Amino acid sequence: DTGVSQNPRHKITKRGQNVTFRCDPISEHNRLYWYRQTLGQGPEFLTYFQNEAQLEKSRLLSDRFSAERPKGSFSTLEIQRTEQGDSAMYLCASSPGQLYNEQFFGPGTRLTVL
Amino acid sequence: AQRVTQPEKLLSVFKGAPVELKCNYSYSGSPELFWYVQYSRQRLQLLLRHISRESIKGFTADLNKGETSFHLKKPFAQEEDSAMYYCALYQAGTALIFGKGTTLSVSS
Repeated sequence: DTGVSQNPRHKITKRGQNVTFRCDPISEHNRLYWYRQTLGQGPEFLTYFQNEAQLEKSRLLSDRFSAERPKGSFSTLEIQRTEQGDSAMYLCASSPGQLYNEQFFGPGTRLTVL
Repeated sequence: AQRVTQPEKLLSVFKGAPVELKCNYSYSGSPELFWYVQYSRQRLQLLLRHISRESIKGFTADLNKGETSFHLKKPFAQEEDSAMYYCALYQAGTALIFGKGTTLSVSS
């Protein structure tokens, strides 16, 4: 499968625990995005990488959230001291970043914080 | 502020009826707009981009800068069109801004 992949697909954790999600973009896509989606809403932008550089962070990304893309390939999103309000679907997308700006999405990681 | 509005949460039509899913946007620059679709238990996937003016699965969308709209249309709905549809605006230098989505339900 050459699409965007995300792991794990589901994560259940207790409040206060740390969680980490992984995203593998489409090969050679130099842009990678993280979004969060809650019930009844469209995806909301969290952060964006161009290669390994994190270029933009939304105000939704509190200091408990951190994202990395160490070698410009896969990315991780870590949430520290999870809260019940963090429960959501976390989506990753990648884009070639050339002529068109469409993004290709992964299946998402559903986080449930108890 | 940049914004995408999809006024209908749910649109129910009968098979063979025309469909129009509304999308309005607010953007200070030159807009780049997309329609994404999410079928049941599947990932979000690109349906249309305004810049290529294509027709995919019988759907078309025309950018109307005067009305700041990018409505999605299909002349004859099929049951397999039932899905969640999102309109999205590319904000230059950052990311996509999505509307809240419209659920299209096509019944026979």
